Amino acid sequence: GAVVSQHPSWVICKSGTSVKIECRSLDFQATTMFWYRQFPKQSLMLMATSNEGSKATYEQGVEKDKFLINHASLTLSTLTVTSAHPEDSSFYICSARVGQGIRSQHFGDGTRLSIL
Amino acid sequence: KQEVTQIPAALSVPEGENLVLNCSFTDSAIYNLQWFRQDPGKGLTSLLLIQSSQREQTSGRLNASLDKSSGRSTLYIAASQPGDSATYLCAVNDNYGQNFVFGPGTRLSVLP
Repeated sequence: GAVVSQHPSWVICKSGTSVKIECRSLDFQATTMFWYRQFPKQSLMLMATSNEGSKATYEQGVEKDKFLINHASLTLSTLTVTSAHPEDSSFYICSARVGQGIRSQHFGDGTRLSIL
Repeated sequence: KQEVTQIPAALSVPEGENLVLNCSFTDSAIYNLQWFRQDPGKGLTSLLLIQSSQREQTSGRLNASLDKSSGRSTLYIAASQPGDSATYLCAVNDNYGQNFVFGPGTRLSVLP
């Protein structure tokens, strides 16, 4: 149980393109999802917390107009990288919180974004 | 602000050895701590979750301990195998926020 599906797994596109990444909780409802970014050989850095039905909470230094997050349902959150540039190339991972009490997180397999 | 460190940054051992990975955190007011495994280019797989009231958790050849007062956790891997080769991340969930703060990870290579 507690499977998180992330799509696409890999995307390559030209500079200036907008890219949408989907994160779905397949067998549970997730009121809270998280978006992380990971640069090569570095750890995960939280970008934003996505709450169903409300605006996302962005971490300091993350441009909310560039990284648009939508959490329209209890099973889907999307991250759109708008007007992507080569410096946005990274590994993006989403997670969904499971259980209010335990507060465990289950992670998607990540999306490798390469901007040419 | 919570900071998480992991030692060593990289470790290479022959197959069959028992090994210990270390995780330290600066703010002891944590809700829980979780150990993850990450294979290259992949997402995270949860290994063990320790609530703040617990001292340790075990799953197969893995044992994780937590000493909240000293801000430390260890992941013990018994009888290591080449398939254990991966990056191991620890993350703490504090009492104030909802998210995890991750350590930089330990890259483990188990040689056959």
